[in-house]
Formats: sequence, C-alpha cells, structure tokens
Amino acid sequence: AQTVTQSQPEMSVQEAETVTLSCTYDTSESNYYLFWYKQPPSRQMILVIRQEAYKQQNATENRFSVNFQKAAKSFSLKISDSQLGDTAMYFCAFMVGATNKLIFGTGTLLAVQP
Amino acid sequence: GAVVSQHPSRVICKSGTSVKIECRSLDFQATTMFWYRQFPKKSLMLMATSNEGSKATYEQGVEKDKFLINHASLTLSTLTVTSAHPEDSSFYICSASSRAQNEDEQFFGPGTRLTVL
Repeated sequence: AQTVTQSQPEMSVQEAETVTLSCTYDTSESNYYLFWYKQPPSRQMILVIRQEAYKQQNATENRFSVNFQKAAKSFSLKISDSQLGDTAMYFCAFMVGATNKLIFGTGTLLAVQP
Repeated sequence: GAVVSQHPSRVICKSGTSVKIECRSLDFQATTMFWYRQFPKKSLMLMATSNEGSKATYEQGVEKDKFLINHASLTLSTLTVTSAHPEDSSFYICSASSRAQNEDEQFFGPGTRLTVL
C-alpha cells in the first residue's frame, strides 16, 4: 500500500523568506506522480506543482520548486519569497499512474507572517 | 479552463433525511470523477471513483448503500448521502479528470459542507 507522510503539522515563515515543507512517501510502484496542493481558508484545492517520477529534473513553478529524491522517496516543496497569500494548508499527494487515485498526506499548515 | 463546480456549497439537514450533492465540470468532459471526504483539520480521504456510465468503485470502508454515486453524463456526478446521521457531517469535495487533458491531473470543486442535526 502507498503512504504519504508529512512530518510538519504546522510551520511559520516571515514574509519574503524561504520555507521548505517536507514529504516522504512509500511505494513499490515505478510509474507514479507526485503533487503539492494548496488549500487556503476558502477550502478550494489548488494544484501548486507536479512531478513525474520518471523525470530526474526537479519541477519548478515560479516561486515554488521541489526537491525530488527518488531513491530516498522524498518530495519536499520550497517556497521562495513567501507572500501572505501563501498562507494555507499544503498537502503532498501521490498517484499511481494506472489508477489515477490520489493519496494525500496529512498536511502542513503554513502561516506567512508579515 | 478546467473549472469544477459543486452545489450546494452548504447544506443543513435533519437526521434521517437524504441529501444530494452535485459536481459539474463546466468547461471540459470529465471522464472520471472522484469524491472525497475531509474532516476538520484533516486530510482528504478518497471515498469513491466514478467513470461516466459505469458503477462507482468505492474505497474500503465506504458504504455504497449510504453514499450513492451517479455519473450519468460526462459533466455531472452526484453524491447522495442517504438517511444522514450526525456522524456524516463533513466537508465533501469532488474532483474531475479528463482523457482529453492530463488524465493524471484532477481539478477540484470548491466543496460542500454538510451538517446533519
């Protein structure tokens, strides 16, 4: 069975600083995808970034980047130049390619302080 | 593009009644729709997966007779909570994916908060 672990229930960062959210996963599959989703107070799930397991290059989306360590089964999210609007719950998620089912981690509540 | 809506956004009902929640893909045809449940300050738990025109596939521990899912068209899926009880109170979220786009990407609705009195 696949599992996703986020070991940081809450984190805080000053505006304009950089923060890294941790995520580890466990799977025996070789074809899978990894995602970071953001859930602000509105509760709307928003895709932040995605990574295909077969790609060695780390995905980046503007201020968001990942550190994908396949052998270590680690998928951390780095947020640069943090903004107040980044305050949200962040979920790491895993998907096996054949099933399209998302398995979510327990989430990290990020607070960006002014 | 890739907008998913849910209706209603909030619903309060009496114990023993049934409640229907709609999930619509507004600008694409959703080959597959997913229903999740989220408890306060908790993660999303997948309840079931539905493909258009087929019976839904339920996750282990989810009562199919209690949570009826219908995916009658490529743009609409419904979740009916039958004989609702207070323990069914939760936040229900749907998502949709499409073969025409990245099938591995799910687009989420804004969620429905169900409160059973």
